[in-house]
Amino acid sequence: NAGVTQTPKFRILKIGQSMTLQCTQDMNHNYMYWYRQDPGMGLKLIYYSVGAGITDKGEVPNGYNVSRSTTEDFPLRLELAAPSQTSVYFCASSWGENTEAFFGQGTRLTVV
Amino acid sequence: KNQVEQSPQSLIILEGKNCTLQCNYTVSPFSNLRWYKQDTGRGPVSLTIMTFSENTKSNGRYTATLDADTKQSSLHITASQLSDSASYICVVSPGTASKLTFGTGTRLQVTL
Repeated sequence: NAGVTQTPKFRILKIGQSMTLQCTQDMNHNYMYWYRQDPGMGLKLIYYSVGAGITDKGEVPNGYNVSRSTTEDFPLRLELAAPSQTSVYFCASSWGENTEAFFGQGTRLTVV
Repeated sequence: KNQVEQSPQSLIILEGKNCTLQCNYTVSPFSNLRWYKQDTGRGPVSLTIMTFSENTKSNGRYTATLDADTKQSSLHITASQLSDSASYICVVSPGTASKLTFGTGTRLQVTL
């Protein structure tokens, strides 16, 4: 099993550009999450989903959007990229709300 | 405010030696505490997940302890190996997937 797969691994964006970070999982998990990890900081939750068609904001949702049309996929959309969105982004999934989370390899995004 | 503090921030040890990493938290309510290992450039990987009633949990050479009364946890690594070089992240859950609190991690380097 591949687990949680994120693409791309690296990306450089110019200010104002948009992009979609892809995330797919093959474990049939209900819960999926997007986190960002900044240097010296703990992971912060951007958005999460408890199942197909259901999404909700996390701690730092501004500047991002998500959708969950299938159980497997949970893309993260950045509109009008800003330097403050320079970070490493992790997608994760879990079977239940309070169970072990599995993380993808991460996407390193730089906005210049 | 919910917080997870880890110490030390970084640690260098010789291969074969043991070490202990600390995690103090002020998260309330408490449901479980998790330790993750994050290799450079990779996503976090779960080591242990401990509930209120569990004092000790092992995963190979990794042993986590939990004192829910003092809100402290430790991760003990026995007979360290070069492959143990990574960041170790403590995460506390109040029982809601969207409310996990992540520590900033301890950076461990194992040298020859």
